[in-house]
Amino acid sequence: QVQLVESGGGAVQPGRSLRLSCAASGFTFSNYGMHWVRQAPGKGLEWVAAIWYDGSNKYYGDSVKGRFTISRDNPKNTLYVQMNSLRAEDTAVYYCARLSSWYGFDIWGQGTMVTVSS
Amino acid sequence: QSALTQPASVSGSPGQSITISCTGTSSDVGGYNYVSWYQQHPGKAPKLMIYEVSNRPSGVSNRFSGSKSGNTASLTISGLQAEDEADYYCSSYTSITSYVFGTGTKVTVL
Repeated sequence: QVQLVESGGGAVQPGRSLRLSCAASGFTFSNYGMHWVRQAPGKGLEWVAAIWYDGSNKYYGDSVKGRFTISRDNPKNTLYVQMNSLRAEDTAVYYCARLSSWYGFDIWGQGTMVTVSS
Repeated sequence: QSALTQPASVSGSPGQSITISCTGTSSDVGGYNYVSWYQQHPGKAPKLMIYEVSNRPSGVSNRFSGSKSGNTASLTISGLQAEDEADYYCSSYTSITSYVFGTGTKVTVL
């Protein structure tokens, strides 16, 4: 079935780095733009980053610009986000999401928790 | 890019209709028909309920409908049911970054 599975979350100290992965299955991954969305504990959804279907264009939210890098490996059906210089305010559940052809996020992963704390 | 503005909470009795607003600017909600709505139950991933302002994905109840006027989009839930109790978020494409979400609305079924 169509599925996204995130991994790589965990606890990390401020200033350190972490890389999250999102494994896609059940659909042609290389046909879709992919996004990362996060949700801090008890807070709302925050759009983080986007990458075009072929990786040619990337976009970032203001709060992560210059620190996070989104990438993808289409032959491996995997989306990534490299998170550097992590801050306490980056603590959140990170979701990967597929952008449908109708400009809605139609498939979401289960999320992976990132905790930034000393 | 500021979050789209939604009411913090909306409530209604079973069978009633409620409407959730989502206010943005001409750079997002008002400029594009790429507004979508998501339902999120506690501890779960969001679920797409409405896309392109007023379209429902397959499998979503026709009790959910969407509309837009100017810089404000709306989600209406008719025939409110206990299972509709959840958080709801709007989202819009934006010319400034890429996408932006709303602040979120907690729907309570009385």
